[in-house]
Amino acid sequence: DAGITQSPRHKVTETGTPVTLRCHQTENHRYMYWYRQDPGHGLRLIHYSYGVKDTDKGEVSDGYSVSRSKTEDFLLTLESATSSQTSVYFCATMREGLYEKLFFGSGTQLSVL
Amino acid sequence: GENVEQHPSTLSVQEGDSAVIKCTYSDSASNYFPWYKQELGKRPQLIIDIRSNVGEKKDQRIAVTLNKTAKHFSLHITETQPEDSAVYFCAAKGSSNTGKLIFGQGTTLQVKP
Repeated sequence: DAGITQSPRHKVTETGTPVTLRCHQTENHRYMYWYRQDPGHGLRLIHYSYGVKDTDKGEVSDGYSVSRSKTEDFLLTLESATSSQTSVYFCATMREGLYEKLFFGSGTQLSVL
Repeated sequence: GENVEQHPSTLSVQEGDSAVIKCTYSDSASNYFPWYKQELGKRPQLIIDIRSNVGEKKDQRIAVTLNKTAKHFSLHITETQPEDSAVYFCAAKGSSNTGKLIFGQGTTLQVKP
């Protein structure tokens, strides 16, 4: 889907460790997003980016940071992972213009023990 | 901040019946309203979208209506089929050029044969 690659696909880590999830896109889309998906909460926006070095907080940004040094890469970092951050993380990119559309990556299942 | 409320959280219908899912949004400047379908274990996929300058849009058995005054939009699925069973998400994008896109909490639709 729109050339979005998320890595890793699965990760198990321990409480207190830093974790970085990577999103790579090949479509040169300006907008990129990180969402987390939990039962009963739908898709909640963590952070998003509207250009290189341009990022902003979403609904649930506490405990997360992001960086976008290149158009194609958007990194999500959990500075000190907690069990409440166990979730499925989706990266997405937005195609702009007349055929505006949000494309999702395949997701990363993160378990914090 | 921006908010999107979606109802109901679960919906069960008999095959052939219609299903309606409703969403309200808080940002009156929102201008783009997509609907996504997510099957178990897969990424969300766009099924239909509508812009703020249009009141209704239809694609075969799926239609979306928008009431900007009430800040309300709905998904209508007619002649439901078992393969329509999935989780459906609505979303709203603000009019700023940051591309912030907020999702509703999701509706689990079950279509009984």
